[in-house]
Amino acid sequence: RKEVEQDPGPFNVPEGATVAFNCTYSNSASQSFFWYRQDCRKEPKLLMSVYSSGNEDGRFTAQLNRASQYISLLIRDSKLSDSATYLCVVKESNTGKLIFGQGTTLQVKP
Amino acid sequence: GAVVSQHPSRVICKSGTSVKIECRSLDFQATTMFWYRQFPKQSLMLMATSNEGSKATYEQGVEKDKFLINHASLTLSTLTVTSAHPEDSSFYICSAPGASSYEQYFGPGTRLTVT
Repeated sequence: RKEVEQDPGPFNVPEGATVAFNCTYSNSASQSFFWYRQDCRKEPKLLMSVYSSGNEDGRFTAQLNRASQYISLLIRDSKLSDSATYLCVVKESNTGKLIFGQGTTLQVKP
Repeated sequence: GAVVSQHPSRVICKSGTSVKIECRSLDFQATTMFWYRQFPKQSLMLMATSNEGSKATYEQGVEKDKFLINHASLTLSTLTVTSAHPEDSSFYICSAPGASSYEQYFGPGTRLTVT
């Protein structure tokens, strides 16, 4: 079983749509969680951190469910510029290593 | 914010040769740096943790004699792919942690093609 699992997609949505991505992780001791965005042939960039209380940044909302070991990302009012791969990332507390999910590809179409 | 650079950004080499990739923290010191590899349509896979002044820690399945890591200063880590083969062709990315738990600064990556 992969440490961090995501549905690779692709998710093809029209502009303005709301889209949700899910992620599960296997290490219950994990403490820090993130969503990164990666554009084609570029390095990943931090989108937002994820907390149990939820975290909202504009059109983006991230949520963590520790009991289910489940992380989500909701994007509202999708823009063409949101097209990218979204990586679910878990940080190991003791080593600081980042464990990346496979990524979910989003394609927003006009 | 903090910046991490990588050099070269792209390299093409012949099979059997060695390639060195540099990762620099430009405005902060990094006692630890991470090296990742990403194959097409796959996620980033951690290869090794580079530690300033000591040996690197390699992930399971990564050959330490093939992927030589040197972290000689607080701002520079190098990854040398020795005796490169076409299957080593990949996108290599380094990162350095920041002061807080959510900060991780990634280099722009190096695209290696072995012919």
